[in-house]
Amino acid sequence: DTEVTQTPKHLVMGMTNKKSLKCEQHMGHRAMYWYKQKAKKPPELMFVYSYEKLSINESVPSRFSPECPNSSLLNLHLHALQPEDSALYLCASSLGTGDNTEAFFGQGTRLTVV
Amino acid sequence: EDQVTQSPEALRLQEGESSSLNCSYTVSGLRGLFWYRQDPGKGPEFLFTLYSAGEEKEKERLKATLTKKESFLHITAPKPEDSATYLCAVGDPNRDDKIIFGKGTRLHILP
Repeated sequence: DTEVTQTPKHLVMGMTNKKSLKCEQHMGHRAMYWYKQKAKKPPELMFVYSYEKLSINESVPSRFSPECPNSSLLNLHLHALQPEDSALYLCASSLGTGDNTEAFFGQGTRLTVV
Repeated sequence: EDQVTQSPEALRLQEGESSSLNCSYTVSGLRGLFWYRQDPGKGPEFLFTLYSAGEEKEKERLKATLTKKESFLHITAPKPEDSATYLCAVGDPNRDDKIIFGKGTRLHILP
């Protein structure tokens, strides 16, 4: 089983709203990632959690707040977003850290900020 | 400076017309080269990992090869369902847990 599950699949939110994206994996992976992807561009790394601790923050604005409640779950809390934040948000996980093993992606959340 | 360069940006083939996609990389000390397939509006689907020059992996009509400076994804007798964007990525030699993506090749197979 190489499944990473993301919810919701689609989300429309206003600029004053607070919402959360959720990600779950049950593969025993110890690294989990958030990526942002704009149309016709490659995925852009936002955050990495390694063994439930934040290991990489790619200078992401504070209106995006990640959380890793346990080794299987990853959340991305959204607040006061801008229309330019509209994108496909992807969660991924990999077996370990430090050896760059392959990452498995979820199907993404299509976010529209109005 | 781009560390992962994919070519061509887009490719249109007739069904059954074999071809190759290229991924060249400039990182030193390769820590894995990864191929993904991505359908529009979906997350990337993992295809292959290659670690050493000379390594090859196959899956159905796809075969990935690796040299010291580049990787090829060979597509043999493609079908319309092979139409997708193919992404190449390499492990960042300076930062654990980070992979560097190329911009992808958009492949369209005409029936």
